Amino acid sequence: QSVLTQPPSMSGAPGQRVTVSCTGSSSNIGAPYDVNWYQYLPGTAPKLLIYGDSNRPSGIPDRFSGSKSGTSASLAITGLQAEDEADYYCQSYDSSLSGWVFGGGTKLTVL
Amino acid sequence: QVQLVESGGGVVQPGRSLRLSCAASGFIFRDYAMHWVRQAPGKGLEWVAFISYDGNREQYADSVKGRFTISRDYSKNALYLQMNSLRAEDTALYHCAKENKFCSGDTCYYPFDYWGQGTLVTVSS
Repeated sequence: QSVLTQPPSMSGAPGQRVTVSCTGSSSNIGAPYDVNWYQYLPGTAPKLLIYGDSNRPSGIPDRFSGSKSGTSASLAITGLQAEDEADYYCQSYDSSLSGWVFGGGTKLTVL
Repeated sequence: QVQLVESGGGVVQPGRSLRLSCAASGFIFRDYAMHWVRQAPGKGLEWVAFISYDGNREQYADSVKGRFTISRDYSKNALYLQMNSLRAEDTALYHCAKENKFCSGDTCYYPFDYWGQGTLVTVSS
């Protein structure tokens, strides 16, 4: 059971918009600690997509955006492309656990 | 370019030890904090351990506290994870990750900006 809760799976057609949610609590996202998002193809190196709730590192297309409100955060992907098919993880810090925490991951399928 | 290459994984019996290594290049190793993160088969990412840029602070997930030790060697630009008393539930792909600092005005953020591809640890009799 992950500290941060994500939907296990989502899907969308090419060109559509999808939003991945990440729900935490007052000891992590709501504390408020920053939320980061990663794209992960199992067996490869995870890629940082969003940091500090809503900031994109250089090289990440603006199709990816992040937001946060209260104890929840969201990753939005617009103009869905086949290459976006991957697992997506949110991550924050938890003061009760004194450590970094991840969501359970969301497997995105591009139909 | 930043590269993180893990090694040292393998098959080990329960109760035995293993040491993982992470070779870092393309950045000033002594300036950055580092982490180990793992993914068990069929499960999500799990943070394992942290070491500060100067090696003075360490933090561990409760699941490995007292069994795992993170360390770093600045002369070799290497990060290590000493894993003792291994259990079946430690079976996972272990990634090392570099923590970076991004600042905007007075606010700074500390995401894991580069990761390695991982090394597989299998604990089985």
